[in-house]
Amino acid sequence: DIQMTQSPSSLSASVGDRVSITCRASRSISTYLNWYQQQPGRAPNLLIYAASSLQSGVPSRFSGSGSGTDFTLTISSLRPEDFATYYCQQSYSTLPTFGQGTKLEIK
Amino acid sequence: QVQLVQSGSELKMPGASVKVSCKASGYTFTSYPMNWVRQAPGQGLEWMGWISPSTGNPTYAQGFTGRFVFSLDTSVSTAYLQISSLKAEDTAVYYCANTRGYNTHNWFDPWGQGTLVTVSS
Repeated sequence: DIQMTQSPSSLSASVGDRVSITCRASRSISTYLNWYQQQPGRAPNLLIYAASSLQSGVPSRFSGSGSGTDFTLTISSLRPEDFATYYCQQSYSTLPTFGQGTKLEIK
Repeated sequence: QVQLVQSGSELKMPGASVKVSCKASGYTFTSYPMNWVRQAPGQGLEWMGWISPSTGNPTYAQGFTGRFVFSLDTSVSTAYLQISSLKAEDTAVYYCANTRGYNTHNWFDPWGQGTLVTVSS
């Protein structure tokens, strides 16, 4: 299986901050990488697919980059509704796997 | 709009069985694979496997063979997850989610709202 490791596991930031979350794959996955946001008590929601493509309806302050083994989700200017848990997921393998999640909290 | 609506929370005794439903609307049910994802309390997301709505063929991830069964009723655009011989460690929220994509890229979207299954005596 391809292991996905996110860093940090948790992050404290303030409204208006620029933040980045990193996801590393245990082997090269090209750009087969997706990002999801999960609000407490809610289902995950797709933000970014194919490493850098913004899902329809997702605000442009979210962006994704990377290829191979290293990927980054960036939020350019945090809004209150962005405080949530973020997951990366690889779709390179027929056995998709998720990162362990990064909890973004208000400082 | 495209929507997946899951059945409500369940409280079950150890050893019992549970069947969770996921009703699709807003698209042709047989067009997109249906996945199941587990989230234990306070934990991350774990892919359980998927079922092809066109063939009914299921694929199970490691750790989800034997007691877990995916099924379909295409006449009512509904996918099911059945778990037998329930254990306390099966307590989790279970999500259904479509596989969508283009070319060779794919992702999970949309997701059902989740079904909490609690196993307790």
